[in-house]
Amino acid sequence: GAVVSQHPSRVICKSGTSVKIECRSLDFQATTMFWYRQFPKQSLMLMATSNEGSKATYEQGVEKDKFLINHASLTLSTLTVTSAHPEDSSFYICSVPLANGGNGYTFGSGTRLTVV
Amino acid sequence: AQSVTQPDIHITVSEGASLELRCNYSYGATPYLFWYVQSPGQGLQLLLKYFSGDTLVQGIKGFEAEFKRSQSSFNLRKPSVHWSDAAEYFCAVGAKAAGNKLTFGGGTRVLVKP
Repeated sequence: GAVVSQHPSRVICKSGTSVKIECRSLDFQATTMFWYRQFPKQSLMLMATSNEGSKATYEQGVEKDKFLINHASLTLSTLTVTSAHPEDSSFYICSVPLANGGNGYTFGSGTRLTVV
Repeated sequence: AQSVTQPDIHITVSEGASLELRCNYSYGATPYLFWYVQSPGQGLQLLLKYFSGDTLVQGIKGFEAEFKRSQSSFNLRKPSVHWSDAAEYFCAVGAKAAGNKLTFGGGTRVLVKP
């Protein structure tokens, strides 16, 4: 149980285009999802907290107009990288806290974004 | 705000030798503590977690970790390393009072010599 499906696993896009990444909870409801970014050989940095039915909460330094988050249902959160640039190339991964973190967290398998 | 420090960026260990990865956290109360492993280009795999109770936690793949409140530490250990243990290891801290955000340490890359 508690499986999170993240798609796509890899995407290559041209500079200036937008890319949508989906994170879907398959067998449970997720009112909160977290989005992380990981640059090569670095740690995971929290970008934003996605809240079902309300606006996402962004971490300091993360551009909300560039990284659009939509959490329209209890099972789906999307991250859209708008007007992507090569510096946005990174590994993006979503995470869902289980029982408010009391049962740990489950992670998507991640999306490798390459902007050319 | 919570924070996590992994002092060792790289560790090289011989196969069969013991391994200890250090993790120190900063948080006002007892947080949830986790160790994850990540192979190159892959997602995260949970090794073990600590919420409360017994301070020595057993995980998968023969790993264990000990929570020491007095030292704000949660070090990961394995008695005998296998070549397949070569990977990146992340310590993480979460707390309900912090909105359940999970904060990661910088990671420790483990290299295993034959």
